[in-house]
Amino acid sequence: GENVEQHPSTLSVQEGDSAVIKCTYSDSASNYFPWYKQELGKRPQLIIDIRSNVGEKKDQRIAVTLNKTAKHFSLHITETQPEDSAVYFCAAPRQGAQKLVFGQGTRLTINP
Amino acid sequence: DTGVSQNPRHKITKRGQNVTFRCDPISEHNRLYWYRQTLGQGPEFLTYFQNEAQLEKSRLLSDRFSAERPKGSFSTLEIQRTEQGDSAMYLCAYPRPLLTGELFFGEGSRLTVL
Repeated sequence: GENVEQHPSTLSVQEGDSAVIKCTYSDSASNYFPWYKQELGKRPQLIIDIRSNVGEKKDQRIAVTLNKTAKHFSLHITETQPEDSAVYFCAAPRQGAQKLVFGQGTRLTINP
Repeated sequence: DTGVSQNPRHKITKRGQNVTFRCDPISEHNRLYWYRQTLGQGPEFLTYFQNEAQLEKSRLLSDRFSAERPKGSFSTLEIQRTEQGDSAMYLCAYPRPLLTGELFFGEGSRLTVL
């Protein structure tokens, strides 16, 4: 089945700097890679996703890149702001099963 | 408005008691998922329904857990003889229409077993 590894587990950056979170997956047939943001006490919310037919997708300050050969994808946040502080999760679908497998999460802290 | 209502939002119980959580999608969805999230971890798949049929159950779902979706709309998740290890957030989710793959989560029901 699909295995998703996420790094780093914690990340602290200065406000205005960039943050990068990386995930690797094991199933080469996976074709959909979402990123979720979870604030304290709240539900996980989708912030961006990418499908395997593209290598990069951008939405304002956030972007996701996908390397299918290496089986890894990354979340990039530029010009970080205090409200970006949260836990971020990557995920990938488990083929043959209708579900997402999540990474372990990255706690991002933006220091003012 | 998250599109999914979960109740209760927080349940504190003593070990050995039974608890039941309910998930009410705001609109009809063929598929409905239950995930569990323990502190500091990502959501873990428990089970999912296609209409009223329960199509897959995770190994995490021991015999003490049972889920139902009797009319293909709301769903319940019951935990019998709760253990401290059951303490977690139980999340209900459904796939977004027209967007294959995305799961939309409810606010969750937090269980604390003393």
